[in-house]
Amino acid sequence: QAQLQESGPELVRPSETLSLTCTVSGGSIGSYYWTWIRQPPGQTLEWIGYIFYNGNTNYNPSLKSRVTMSVDTSKNQFSLNLSSATAVDTAVYFCARQSLLATPGAFDLWGQGTLVTVSS
Amino acid sequence: DIQMTQSPSSLSASVGDRVTITCRASRSVSGSLNWYQHKPGKAPRLLIFSASSLQSGVPSRFSGSGSGTDFTLTISSLQPEDFATYYCQQSYSNIRTFGQGTKVEIK
Repeated sequence: QAQLQESGPELVRPSETLSLTCTVSGGSIGSYYWTWIRQPPGQTLEWIGYIFYNGNTNYNPSLKSRVTMSVDTSKNQFSLNLSSATAVDTAVYFCARQSLLATPGAFDLWGQGTLVTVSS
Repeated sequence: DIQMTQSPSSLSASVGDRVTITCRASRSVSGSLNWYQHKPGKAPRLLIFSASSLQSGVPSRFSGSGSGTDFTLTISSLQPEDFATYYCQQSYSNIRTFGQGTKVEIK
């Protein structure tokens, strides 16, 4: 049974880069869209973007100028960098898996999420 | 972006009740609509994909229907473990968007 686990700093200073890693265990990182989603306090879920296992990416235009995603197939990990962080980036960040075929367009596996606070 | 609007934003119900949550898209998403259950501190769980397909392992009391702009999630007989927040999400557009959530609380 595959599992996802987010890791990274819980506190980020304003103007710095928010960096998170998601580790895929119990399954292959191949042939899926690996996705980042966030939920600011009291708000709904916001799709940040995805990276395919071959490195192709698709980002939310609202964040595109600040987002970089990468994948390390040797470590079964993928990562999110969000530059120039501000308080509005404070949120619970989830990593998730989007299947190509089995559940098209749906996120069939999620991590538990990690709260990242942007504050001085 | 396609805006997703859920109603109600919250509801109170008793164990055994039939519960219906609706989701409306700002423009047609065809059948590309998914439903999730989320409990605090837990990973969200996919319930329904492609509007009406039950995800593997999800109890049959959950069902989905609709197409185009109007969709429904139904819980036929609410169980204690079903108290949670439910989200719809469209996968028609390359920019995925979610509804604002419906919190199902104990009456």
